[in-house]
Amino acid sequence: EADIYQTPRYLVIGTGKKITLECSQTMGHDKMYWYQQDPGMELHLIHYSYGVNSTEKGDLSSESTVSRIRTEHFPLTLESARPSHTSQYLCASSPSGANYGYTFGSGTRLTVV
Amino acid sequence: AQSVTQLGSHVSVSEGALVLLRCNYSSSVPPYLFWYVQYPNQGLQLLLKYTSAATLVKGINGFEAEFKKSETSFHLTKPSAHMSDAAEYFCAVRISGGSNYKLTFGKGTLLTVNP
Repeated sequence: EADIYQTPRYLVIGTGKKITLECSQTMGHDKMYWYQQDPGMELHLIHYSYGVNSTEKGDLSSESTVSRIRTEHFPLTLESARPSHTSQYLCASSPSGANYGYTFGSGTRLTVV
Repeated sequence: AQSVTQLGSHVSVSEGALVLLRCNYSSSVPPYLFWYVQYPNQGLQLLLKYTSAATLVKGINGFEAEFKKSETSFHLTKPSAHMSDAAEYFCAVRISGGSNYKLTFGKGTLLTVNP
């Protein structure tokens, strides 16, 4: 079944640790996106990619980095986690064509202590 | 630039009552419009979309929305609320031309359903 997967679903980690949030999709979508969302709040685009080896920063400045080496994989990395990074991170993908919506993963809830 | 405004950050209805969630858009070119639902601790799920075909769009779970160009609106409705409809709802817009594939989301409306 075509889908988009995020791992881990929940992560509690200490300050200063390096973390990578995984996002993979099996739909062959060119476009992928990372959003940051605090509980009950709006979504903020932090990174997006329109294809392999293409990444761009989103509307909200973020200390995280992303890579897109394979079409299906779009990981997000924080080199040194801080409590201010505590949030929910949502990954999404879409095919080419403006009339398509996004397919979202279930999210990773990150807590930095 | 495109944008959406969701009127009312919180809407509360009784079970069985009409649900109306408001969304107004701003776009200089014909837009594509979307409604998403988010349940607690989940990602967003597409409810329905308008892509310049029929102005009345039917989606999942009994929801529908009507595109009204004269009012620049795309309000989401459901005739009879169910407890399971309690969630956060997001309206989103994308322009229909160019190479910008990014959706612009509204700030969301939290729907609570009272028994």
